[in-house]
Amino acid sequence: AQKVTQAQTEISVVEKEDVTLDCVYETRDTTYYLFWYKQPPSGELVFLIRRNSFDEQNEISGRYSWNFQKSTSSFNFTITASQVVDSAVYFCALLGRSSNTGKLIFGQGTTLQVKP
Amino acid sequence: DVKVTQSSRYLVKRTGEKVFLECVQDMDHENMFWYRQDPGLGLRLIYFSYDVKMKEKGDIPEGYSVSREKKERFSLILESASTNQTSMYLCASSSGGGNTIYFGEGSWLTVV
Repeated sequence: AQKVTQAQTEISVVEKEDVTLDCVYETRDTTYYLFWYKQPPSGELVFLIRRNSFDEQNEISGRYSWNFQKSTSSFNFTITASQVVDSAVYFCALLGRSSNTGKLIFGQGTTLQVKP
Repeated sequence: DVKVTQSSRYLVKRTGEKVFLECVQDMDHENMFWYRQDPGLGLRLIYFSYDVKMKEKGDIPEGYSVSREKKERFSLILESASTNQTSMYLCASSSGGGNTIYFGEGSWLTVV
């Protein structure tokens, strides 16, 4: 079975704080893909990053960074110097290579509130 | 730029009405999806299409049907809308394999 767990339901920080969103996944596939999406109040799911299971390099994009560790089945997301515009629901998702539907397995999401 | 467009952002329909939710993508993607998002239940796959006129049931297909007559367009149909279908509906597309799945802006449907 495939599963994604985002244990943090809600996080509240003050602007300029760093914040890490946790994501733990389960899969028996040796090839799989991990994603992060941002969902602002307007509702659309905005793609942030895709990572395949063979690439454990951490990635940085501006204030965003991702830490992928296969040993702990985690794919955590850090926002440095958070801003009010970062307030949103963030979803971690898994796509297993064995999936013949291309169906993403989503975590339950973490609601991030950044206060001014 | 990647674009998945859902025709209606907000709809209010009456119980028993037939409802069409339209989705168009401009990336020549083979795969298209319809998800439903509800508080506490997360995102659930309704239907999936991997080619024109091809469809596969997702986790919650009951009460829904789909149509894919052209590659770029994937329609979700509620044959007889019910109040428990009040939800946010998200369309998505991808080129398959492990490639990125892109989502539309979402359609908020209220059935009264």
